[in-house]
Amino acid sequence: EAQVTQNPRYLITVTGKKLTVTCSQNMNHEYMSWYRQDPGLGLRQIYYSMNVEVTDKGDVPEGYKVSRKEKRNFPLILESPSPNQTSLYFCASSRVASGANVLTFGAGSRLTVL
Amino acid sequence: DAKTTQPTSMDCAEGRAANLPCNHSTISGNEYVYWYRQIHSQGPQYIIHGLKNNETNEMASLIITEDRKSSTLILPHATLRDTAVYYCIVRPNSGGSNYKLTFGKGTLLTVNP
Repeated sequence: EAQVTQNPRYLITVTGKKLTVTCSQNMNHEYMSWYRQDPGLGLRQIYYSMNVEVTDKGDVPEGYKVSRKEKRNFPLILESPSPNQTSLYFCASSRVASGANVLTFGAGSRLTVL
Repeated sequence: DAKTTQPTSMDCAEGRAANLPCNHSTISGNEYVYWYRQIHSQGPQYIIHGLKNNETNEMASLIITEDRKSSTLILPHATLRDTAVYYCIVRPNSGGSNYKLTFGKGTLLTVNP
């Protein structure tokens, strides 16, 4: 089944303890992206990647890092998490093509930073 | 990206058609209309998209007015599982740039038994 898989789905951690949220897709998509969703603020893009070794900042990149060493994986790294990074995170992927493009989203990772 | 306006909420009876409107009066010629939905805290799910012509797939139909300033998503036979927030998003031809989707507040569709 074509899908985007995120892990962990739920995580409670403490301030300053580095963590990584993994994202993997099995559709051979070139484009991948991370969003966070917060009440009243909607979905906001954190980082995106157009292909392997190509990443760029979205709207809210502060406090996050990403890497794209393989086409299928796009991990989100929080080097020193803070409570304001408590949020619901979504990874998404898409083919790179002209015209319309359709994003496939993962199921989400709910992160709580104490 | 063009701004969209959707009603905050709508109700629909199970088995009836759900018609969700979206206004995008500032849409430009190369901008597509996309519809996604999000069932409580799950990942957004793609439904349908269109540029000028009406479109239909296994999930829904998309009716775009001739002037492209508004559109309607139609779920022909709504079920309880269609209760979700529906997002109408307008964005241009990708052209190799960031494929970011700008999600607004959407319409909360509640399907009632």
